[in-house]
Amino acid sequence: GQSLEQPSEVTAVEGAIVQINCTYQTSGFYGLSWYQQHDGGAPTFLSYNALDGLEETGRFSSFLSRSDSYGYLLLQELQMKDSASYFCAVRDLKSWGKFQFGAGTQVVVTP
Amino acid sequence: EAGVTQFPSHSVIEKGQTVTLRCDPISGHDNLYWYRRVMGKEIKFLLHFVKESKQDESGMPNNRFLAERTGGTYSTLKVQPAELEDSGVYFCASSLGTELYGYTFGSGTRLTVV
Repeated sequence: GQSLEQPSEVTAVEGAIVQINCTYQTSGFYGLSWYQQHDGGAPTFLSYNALDGLEETGRFSSFLSRSDSYGYLLLQELQMKDSASYFCAVRDLKSWGKFQFGAGTQVVVTP
Repeated sequence: EAGVTQFPSHSVIEKGQTVTLRCDPISGHDNLYWYRRVMGKEIKFLLHFVKESKQDESGMPNNRFLAERTGGTYSTLKVQPAELEDSGVYFCASSLGTELYGYTFGSGTRLTVV
């Protein structure tokens, strides 16, 4: 089976940097994905790490360490619109259409 | 191109009633998925269609849930009879193929069973 752990909530001020950690236990591994969901909206794909290291996409970066079974999403220069839930997810090796998601981290950005 | 569309956006029903949720995937996407998020917990897989066939329905909670995708286009998810614990947000997603990074989600149907 697979399980992913991430913090339930993080609060930060505008302009700050936030790191959302995700630790996972899997029997196999395709890579780690990150999704953003605003309240009432669709989960939206943000980033994917297939290999160890850092992937940067604008203000957002994602990191993966396979040896540590750990990844993180880094949100820089926080803006009010970044207030949302962020989910890490891994794909099931036995059923490629199936993703296992973490419980999500609610990021609250304050003025 | 239009995204994944779900209807209704909200539904409030009484315990014991029946509800049918609909999902229209992105045109041309053979793969369609249903997921559910209950009470702020993780988004959990329900099932996966490839065209009109069920590829994996291992996440369906019980036989009160019935998913169909006749003709390989839109899909419906029926809950009959609904129970209180079925409350949550039901998401549909679609993909063209086996994209490793994920797929496109709809905005979900928020189901409340009272």
